[in-house]
Amino acid sequence: AQSVAQPEDQVNVAEGNPLTVKCTYSVSGNPYLFWYVQYPNRGLQFLLKYITGDNLVKGSYGFEAEFNKSQTSFHLKKPSALVSDSALYFCAVREGEGSQGNLIFGKGTKLSVKP
Amino acid sequence: DADVTQTPRNRITKTGKRIMLECSQTKGHDRMYWYRQDPGLGLRLIYYSFDVKDINKGEISDGYSVSRQAQAKFSLSLESAIPNQTALYFCATSGWLAGKETQYFGPGTRLLVL
Repeated sequence: AQSVAQPEDQVNVAEGNPLTVKCTYSVSGNPYLFWYVQYPNRGLQFLLKYITGDNLVKGSYGFEAEFNKSQTSFHLKKPSALVSDSALYFCAVREGEGSQGNLIFGKGTKLSVKP
Repeated sequence: DADVTQTPRNRITKTGKRIMLECSQTKGHDRMYWYRQDPGLGLRLIYYSFDVKDINKGEISDGYSVSRQAQAKFSLSLESAIPNQTALYFCATSGWLAGKETQYFGPGTRLLVL
């Protein structure tokens, strides 16, 4: 069965510093991986996804994620954090083979960026 | 205008009451989903529908039912609400655009069961 794990409940970063939010996955077959962000009192927003191709995926708001097959990881990164990046971040994997199936979400990581 | 809308946005109800959460979408997508979000548990799938005639149970369907009234509408019902159904509920759709498939989420419905 497909699954994702987000090992950190919270990540604290100073504004201007690089940030990383970790995600590892377990899939049978080729992984379809996603990152979503939830700002306070808002719904979920799609950030980026990996299906095939380059291991470094660029997404919205300056975020990017690096797919690492050998480490089964899909960490979310940003070179310079902003206070406005403070939010809840969810990693997800698509259930089933190919592009069919539902999304399986991690439990979320709270990112706190301090001025 | 939002592509995926949910009503109500907030609801307080009492144990044992029946409640319906509604979701509408203007994306023209066939696939629709209901998730609940609980702190520390992430998002969990309740029900999903791949078209009007197709309804499937998700990870945590007990205590819930759904109705796909039309392609654009997918409602979630709690027949007899209980306190552990207090959560944030998200509706979502998914579809293909220019060869890419993406999920679109509604703003969420915050439900409190007393």
